[in-house]
Amino acid sequence: EAEVAQSPRYKITEKSQAVAFWCDPISGHATLYWYRQILGQGPELLVQFQDESVVDDSQLPKDRFSAERLKGVDSTLKIQPAELGDSAMYLCASSLPGLPTQYFGPGTRLTVL
Amino acid sequence: KQEVTQIPAALSVPEGENLVLNCSFTDSAIYNLQWFRQDPGKGLTSLLLIQSSQREQTSGRLNASLDKSSGRSTLYIAASQPGDSATYLCAVRVHYGGATNKLIFGTGTLLAVQP
Repeated sequence: EAEVAQSPRYKITEKSQAVAFWCDPISGHATLYWYRQILGQGPELLVQFQDESVVDDSQLPKDRFSAERLKGVDSTLKIQPAELGDSAMYLCASSLPGLPTQYFGPGTRLTVL
Repeated sequence: KQEVTQIPAALSVPEGENLVLNCSFTDSAIYNLQWFRQDPGKGLTSLLLIQSSQREQTSGRLNASLDKSSGRSTLYIAASQPGDSATYLCAVRVHYGGATNKLIFGTGTLLAVQP
């Protein structure tokens, strides 16, 4: 069964360093989402792509976060510089355009020291 | 602004019990409501999706209901098993500018089923 792939699964970094997360959606899924889930809370949407275009990045802290999906397939989320408050699980999800069901990857657990 | 609340935050039950998880939302203008399961340190798995025009959905031992007018949904789990232990999240899909829509999640209910 096709799955959303994410790497790395775990990342520990120091404050002010740069980190990057990678996501490979299910083949054929044109819509890709990045979520941040702080411990004990529900996921919050950071950015949504339709193919290579950003359709919603209203909750993305653009002074330090960036996301790209250059060829409309896999995607990278970057944080520079990382802050203590960025410690969270970063989840990627994908869906077929127009369909509501999102398929989630296993996530990347980020710890900022 | 849409807010999603889940009660209780945590629940512990003995194996075999039937249980109900609650979800409430503040704005009834939703496209659908979805229940997810999240195992510790893992991603989310979709359990049930209820369209705004529907009242309930069933899958195996799970039954989800939706009362859009009162802003409530329940997830009923019959004959609970230790393997049901996980965090259960509900999310509503709402319109968000232009042609986009987004999921708004609750904070989840942590369920522990004791053998």
